[in-house]
Amino acid sequence: GAGVSQSPRYKVAKRGQDVALRCDPISGHVSLFWYQQALGQGPEFLTYFQNEAQLDKSGLPSDRFFAERPEGSVSTLKIQRTQQEDSAVYLCASSNRASGTEAFFGQGTRLTVV
Amino acid sequence: RKEVEQDPGPFNVPEGATVAFNCTYSNSASQSFFWYRQDCRKEPKLLMSVYSSGNEDGRFTAQLNRASQYISLLIRDSKLSDSATYLCVVNPKEYGNKLVFGAGTILRVKS
Repeated sequence: GAGVSQSPRYKVAKRGQDVALRCDPISGHVSLFWYQQALGQGPEFLTYFQNEAQLDKSGLPSDRFFAERPEGSVSTLKIQRTQQEDSAVYLCASSNRASGTEAFFGQGTRLTVV
Repeated sequence: RKEVEQDPGPFNVPEGATVAFNCTYSNSASQSFFWYRQDCRKEPKLLMSVYSSGNEDGRFTAQLNRASQYISLLIRDSKLSDSATYLCVVNPKEYGNKLVFGAGTILRVKS
């Protein structure tokens, strides 16, 4: 596809359920980022991959959050035992520069934990 | 104190008005600066990069003041379609490649 693709677009999870969010970056993009955006806030950094290597996971809020990009293209963000405070839009972005600037965002996955 | 701070607004302006947003950042080692635009329930999109010498793209002018650690965006001749949230974004060198976003400034242009 032409842009960053995320699925599902919407996810409703019961508290305690595990969820997996998928990101398909723009083909050939080296850098991939995950961000969390709460209502009325700017995106908050979660983690960053350069190819398959996870170079920075300092923004992951707890050990319930896990991200992977095993083949350097598609990435999955997994949240275990979801809690209400996990409700947010999860944005994936990719960049074709190792410097990670000029990131292109997907439309996001809106997660609601009930 | 947040790393990137913006006035949340909203800024309500008539069509044709000139409007300016400022943003301050706390990390003096920051090396790259951007303005992103985000429409309601959409993803952020790059509006423009911000260079030390200042740069202009049509009706949009961005400026950087490293000494005072602030970034500005000026929009001239506002259009209805400019209504959106404008996100100030900084790439702090010591944080590697991640982008740090402000909370955004809401602009509403009215006819």
